[in-house]
Amino acid sequence: EIVLTQSPGTLSLSPGERATLSCRASETVTSSLGWLQQKPGQAPRLLIYGASNRATGVPARFRGSGSGTDFTLTITSLEPEDFAVYYCHHRGNWAFGGGTKVEIK
Amino acid sequence: QVHLVQSGAEVKKPGASVKVSCKVSGRSLTELSIHWVRQAPGKGLEWMGSFDPEDGETFYAQKFQDRVALTEDTSTDTAYMELTRLRSDDTAVYYCTTEIAADWGQGTLVTVSS
Repeated sequence: EIVLTQSPGTLSLSPGERATLSCRASETVTSSLGWLQQKPGQAPRLLIYGASNRATGVPARFRGSGSGTDFTLTITSLEPEDFAVYYCHHRGNWAFGGGTKVEIK
Repeated sequence: QVHLVQSGAEVKKPGASVKVSCKVSGRSLTELSIHWVRQAPGKGLEWMGSFDPEDGETFYAQKFQDRVALTEDTSTDTAYMELTRLRSDDTAVYYCTTEIAADWGQGTLVTVSS
């Protein structure tokens, strides 16, 4: 069973700063690694699928990268609406990481 | 684009059952693999199971294996998740979503309380 570990748990940043979120898998995964964004009271929203492909309507400031066991979500310049919780997700066994909260510093 | 609309909030007593519906529009349910995910208050996302329309097979997370049943009514394009023998720690928001997690229902809050 693949386990996904996200770090850090919380990221405190200011608008305009760069956010780097990490997701590490317990074993090598295929490219079926995605990233979801969730705001309070809302359903999750798919941002990235296949490790690096942006879902429809997702701004270019969201970038997914990585392979094997290490994956990264980068938000190049934080907008006010980007402060949320982010989850990595492996579609192979539908595992989720524990989440990284990006909060306003 | 696929649109998923779930049934409303439920309050149940311990030991009871709950059945949550997920109405699909934009595509036929027979073309989709619907997954169910839950989220306890203040916690992360937890996969419960899925239905494969190609062979009609269901897959369940081991944790829920003996308490959850996923069914579908293709005549109304509605998927269902029934959870039995409810406990207080089943209090959560339950979501239906599609195979690549691109489309999500709005969530259904199930509260289990005596």
